[in-house]
Amino acid sequence: KAGVTQTPRYLIKTRGQQVTLSCSPISGHRSVSWYQQTPGQGLQFLFEYFSETQRNKGNFPGRFSGRQFSNSRSEMNVSTLELGDSALYLCASSAGVSVLGTETQYFGPGTRLLVL
Amino acid sequence: AQSVTQLGSHVSVSEGALVLLRCNYSSSVPPYLFWYVQYPNQGLQLLLKYTTGATLVKGINGFEAEFKKSETSFHLTKPSAHMSDAAEYFCAVSAANTGNQFYFGTGTSLTVIP
Repeated sequence: KAGVTQTPRYLIKTRGQQVTLSCSPISGHRSVSWYQQTPGQGLQFLFEYFSETQRNKGNFPGRFSGRQFSNSRSEMNVSTLELGDSALYLCASSAGVSVLGTETQYFGPGTRLLVL
Repeated sequence: AQSVTQLGSHVSVSEGALVLLRCNYSSSVPPYLFWYVQYPNQGLQLLLKYTTGATLVKGINGFEAEFKKSETSFHLTKPSAHMSDAAEYFCAVSAANTGNQFYFGTGTSLTVIP
């Protein structure tokens, strides 16, 4: 099975712009979660999508949004970029059958975003 | 809420020596615990996980971890370090009351000295 894929791998944007990141989960997985990884804050949960619906949300401002399509692919959007949004954005997929936290999450290689 | 503390942001061991990476968690409900490894410019790869059952969990690449409820710990060990083990290691916790949201520790960078 192919793993989780994320595009693009690298992005450079300027402050005030918006950006859209894409994630394709492992075939058959219906849950997609997004995480932000920075040297200062580590890995922080953004949100989880399951069956095109946001099922869980972390503590990020509304500038961060996402969506999921019927084929389980997910996109994450960040509007009005700030310098502090520079980070590695990781997508993870899981089967999504359980909401008890026991499912392994399989991570993609990430999209590295640099905001200038 | 859940949280994870990884003691030691950097750990160095000699090749062939014991690897011990520490992870302590905080959870108001029974936790589920995971160890991931991250190599440069790559995503996270699962090493092992504990959900229920046997408290000593064996993972890939010779790693294992033991869930100790009384100590709220889930330390990662490997009897003999290999050069290829040099990477960043993350401990994560989840629980039934937070669904599939993982809470990660700040990571431990492992250096293996030849």
